[in-house]
Amino acid sequence: GAGVSQSPSNKVTEKGKDVELRCDPISGHTALYWYRQRLGQGLEFLIYFQGNSAPDKSGLPSDRFSAERTGGSVSTLTIQRTQQEDSAVYLCASSLVYQPQHFGDGTRLSIL
Amino acid sequence: AQSVSQHNHHVILSEAASLELGCNYSYGGTVNLFWYVQYPGQHLQLLLKYFSGDPLVKGIKGFEAEFIKSKFSFNLRKPSVQWSDTAEYFCAVNADRGSTLGRLYFGRGTQLTVWP
Repeated sequence: GAGVSQSPSNKVTEKGKDVELRCDPISGHTALYWYRQRLGQGLEFLIYFQGNSAPDKSGLPSDRFSAERTGGSVSTLTIQRTQQEDSAVYLCASSLVYQPQHFGDGTRLSIL
Repeated sequence: AQSVSQHNHHVILSEAASLELGCNYSYGGTVNLFWYVQYPGQHLQLLLKYFSGDPLVKGIKGFEAEFIKSKFSFNLRKPSVQWSDTAEYFCAVNADRGSTLGRLYFGRGTQLTVWP
């Protein structure tokens, strides 16, 4: 079946611009997660949505980062006024309750 | 906060060699443990998981891992590696909250290269 879909697969932008990254979770998965992976480092948690509960935003590194999940399905991660240290692969994952997470292919973000 | 340590950043083996990748975590409560694998050009895939029960868990492709609670460890093993096992391996942990899984804490990953 269809997996987690992320778009775009690659994004190059200039420092200071805003970017939006999209995630389509597996149909029926109530939980959705965003992580990022900077070069040579492990995956770093950003934000977690579970059903209608308030999201866990504890991993967002600054107020330039925000995310929303509309209709309990698609999610958008927005980075405002991008900085070079935002360059990373941004990964989205989804899961059913009490089940392991399924990951998308990620969006490779490069800030010039 | 939880943390996960993977002892080896890069492991190089010949085919048929045995593999053990170390993983230690820091969290005193009940945990769920995972190994994910990322083959070149592919997304992260679940290799195996431990939620409860038998501490020796078997995953896909002949991999297994043993949860040793007293050592806070969840090492990954395979008795005989193949060239196709070349990939990056990530250990991950989350706190068992009974109804949801929540965020994962990942190790930095171990790149395994297997020479034919």
